[in-house]
Amino acid sequence: AQSVTQLGSHVSVSEGALVLLRCNYSSSVPPYLFWYVQYPNQGLQLLLKYTTGATLVKGINGFEAEFKKSETSFHLTKPSAHMSDAAEYFCAVKGSGYSTLTFGKGTMLLVSP
Amino acid sequence: DAGVIQSPRHEVTEMGQEVTLRCKPISGHDYLFWYRQTMMRGLELLIYFNNNVPIDDSGMPEDRFSAKMPNASFSTLKIQPSEPRDSAVYFCASSFRNRMNTEAFFGQGTRLTVV
Repeated sequence: AQSVTQLGSHVSVSEGALVLLRCNYSSSVPPYLFWYVQYPNQGLQLLLKYTTGATLVKGINGFEAEFKKSETSFHLTKPSAHMSDAAEYFCAVKGSGYSTLTFGKGTMLLVSP
Repeated sequence: DAGVIQSPRHEVTEMGQEVTLRCKPISGHDYLFWYRQTMMRGLELLIYFNNNVPIDDSGMPEDRFSAKMPNASFSTLKIQPSEPRDSAVYFCASSFRNRMNTEAFFGQGTRLTVV
């Protein structure tokens, strides 16, 4: 079984500030981890994914995430928030071969001027 | 490619009516997923298909829900009869081979409101 916990249903930052969205996973096998973004009235779009290799993964729009096995975490960061980053962000996990994505509950990122 | 296409984008129906949601996956993708998104439960997988065959429908909430995939380019999710608690955003997604490192591509969703 696999699961994802996203800490904080809402995160507020000022434009230009650091963005940190937290994700912890549970998986009985080495996980594959994903971050998706959902803009208002849109579908989910892949931001980045961790499969194997380098634990620091860079994605689109300046986002990156680091896989930390010892902490079972895959937090999403961006050095400087833009107004256009305001959206809902979902962390997801695949825990076994040919499995389906299991999503967290999502974190709404609010960016103020 | 145009991506995953869902129709309609919005659907308002009265309780007890039949509702049919439609999805066209990305050409060449062999996996198709139906998800439901609500405030209370987040994103839930309802059912998924591989090569048009349903593989796991354990997420389908009740017998009122049914899904079909008559060919590689079309799938439907039907609710009959609909109830207010079915109000949600329904997403269709597709992927190629569904390996561990493959992501799913999502449509824009259908927002269903049952009154």
